[in-house]
Parts: sequence; structure tokens; C-alpha cells
Amino acid sequence: QKEVEQDPGPLSVPEGAIVSLNCTYSNSAFQYFMWYRQYSRKGPELLMYTYSSGNKEDGRFTAQVDKSSKYISLFIRDSQPSDSATYLCAMSAYEGFGNEKLTFGTGTRLTIIP
Amino acid sequence: NAGVTQTPKFRVLKTGQSMTLLCAQDMNHEYMYWYRQDPGMGLRLIHYSVGEGTTAKGEVPDGYNVSRLKKQNFLLGLESAAPSQTSVYFCASSSDPVGEKLFFGSGTQLSVL
Repeated sequence: QKEVEQDPGPLSVPEGAIVSLNCTYSNSAFQYFMWYRQYSRKGPELLMYTYSSGNKEDGRFTAQVDKSSKYISLFIRDSQPSDSATYLCAMSAYEGFGNEKLTFGTGTRLTIIP
Repeated sequence: NAGVTQTPKFRVLKTGQSMTLLCAQDMNHEYMYWYRQDPGMGLRLIHYSVGEGTTAKGEVPDGYNVSRLKKQNFLLGLESAAPSQTSVYFCASSSDPVGEKLFFGSGTQLSVL
């Protein structure tokens, strides 16, 4: 079983819809949670960063972390065609090691249909 | 502002050939990383560096070597390429080791025939 599970999709939704992307994990020591967005033939770029549990909002994007269920989500409101990309979740347990312990999900490919 | 630059962008090798991938960052970051991305596998760490002159193994280091002679550069070498090393390779850098923002390059598509 992978430490981080992410539905690969593909996921297609009409423009303006609310998108929900999710990851589950098994390592209860994870405390830093991130979402990266990756456009085709590009490197990932950080979209959202959350420490521990709770919600974080940035414009049309909301990241949620539920540590009791080992479940994280990314919501995109008023989705736009420019949101079409692959979304990667990532998480780490800082034990003095830092980024080398960052574990990525496999990514969900999202397409927003105009 | 260039950020993280990877060269080359594409490369085709024959089994047994060697090559070096170059990563350069202009953000004065201490930490640099090499990942490979394969379908269904996600991003996996090959090697990383916590500063000039240092290197360490990641999750999948076999068949690769790295060097960080200058702070701004991180080189990934394949001494004897194998078809299993066909992948997209990404270099990343960061200023903070604690799960902070990773800046990625645009990747190198490598095919080993």
C-alpha cells in the first residue's frame, strides 16, 4: 500500500463548477500538506501549503486537512479552463530531515470544459 | 528571472550510453533535488543536496550519481543508461528544508532505447 493515495482521474468538469480533489494517506506523522499544480510539459508549482489540520483559503482555492481521517482535499471554486492541469498532493513529516521526506501523490488530471 | 533551468529538455540514449543532466538555479537556494516522474508512480526522489559540496541518496538512487561543486548547479549523471531509466527528470530547489516551497525546473524527457 502506498503512503499517499490519489485518484488519477481523469476528471472533466464544466467551466464554473466546483472541483474537489482528494488524497488519503497512511502515515500519521505527516504534518505538512501541499498541493502542486503541473501543466503539461512543465514542472510542478506550489499552489497551497498547510501545516497540521484545518482549512486554508487563497482566492478560488481552498485546502482542507482532516488528520483524524488522514484525508486532504483541494477545492476549486468557479473553475476556469486555465485550471486544467494535473494536481499533485504532497506531504511530509519533519523529523529533522526536511524535504527529502516529501511524499507525492500520483496526481489527478483535471480538465475544465469551456 | 530564470528560476530553475534544466538542460537538455529532451534526450534519446542507447542502452549503455552515459549522459549528464544539468540543473542551474539563480535563487541562491541551499537545497537542491533530483526527481523522476513516471506514470502511476508520482515524483520519486533520486538524490538531493543540502548545500555546496554535499549530496545524499533519495528513494531511488541506483544507477545515478550526482555532484554539487557549485551552489547554483546540481548535476545528475547516468553512467550506463538502462531502459528502466526512461522517465521525465525534474530538478528542484528550495531555501528551507522543512517542507517549504519547492521550485521546479521544466523537466528533461529522457528515453533509453
